[in-house]
Amino acid sequence: ELKVEQNPLFLSMQEGKNYTIYCNYSTTSDRLYWYRQDPGKSLESLFVLLSNGAVKQEGRLMASLDTKARLSTLHITAAVHDLSATYFCAGMNRDDKIIFGKGTRLHILP
Amino acid sequence: DTAVSQTPKYLVTQMGNDKSIKCEQNLGHDTMYWYKQDSKKFLKIMFSYNNKELIINETVPNRFSPKSPDKAHLNLHINSLELGDSAVYFCASSLPGLLSYEQYFGPGTRLTVT
Repeated sequence: ELKVEQNPLFLSMQEGKNYTIYCNYSTTSDRLYWYRQDPGKSLESLFVLLSNGAVKQEGRLMASLDTKARLSTLHITAAVHDLSATYFCAGMNRDDKIIFGKGTRLHILP
Repeated sequence: DTAVSQTPKYLVTQMGNDKSIKCEQNLGHDTMYWYKQDSKKFLKIMFSYNNKELIINETVPNRFSPKSPDKAHLNLHINSLELGDSAVYFCASSLPGLLSYEQYFGPGTRLTVT
């Protein structure tokens, strides 16, 4: 069964810095998702990556997918406090089941 | 005009009770899901329905029973609640097929069993 591992699980960083969250997955996944969750809130879809080499950007966040390496990254550019949240990546199993990573809790210090 | 709604938002109950959580989506999606998020924020799928038909049924106790009266609704009934059932339960919906399967999540129901 598909396993999804994120690292780091916790990240505290200064505003203005760049950083990358990594998402490795164990077997073939048709697609890769990134979600954001604010404390006490629901999950918000950020990106859906469908093919090898896919890159999507929204504001200071950029996600990419390398299906050969079974790796997706979420890059944060010039972080701002508003980006503090938990970020989840998720892949899709062969039986269409979405498997989530454990999440990366990102804390951006003002 | 909330896309995916759940009721109640909070549910506090005692062990042994039976409770239900309701979910409705107005997005016209065919597929709906129930997820459980534990205290460590780990998200795990419980059930998935496509057009009222159960398609994913994870290894959850049979005290949990989903019911889909129509494709816009997926309710979760829990019998004989236990302390370990305390969690946040999220409903979600998506389009099936070759589309992106992007899931839209409801606001969550925080269940506390005492």
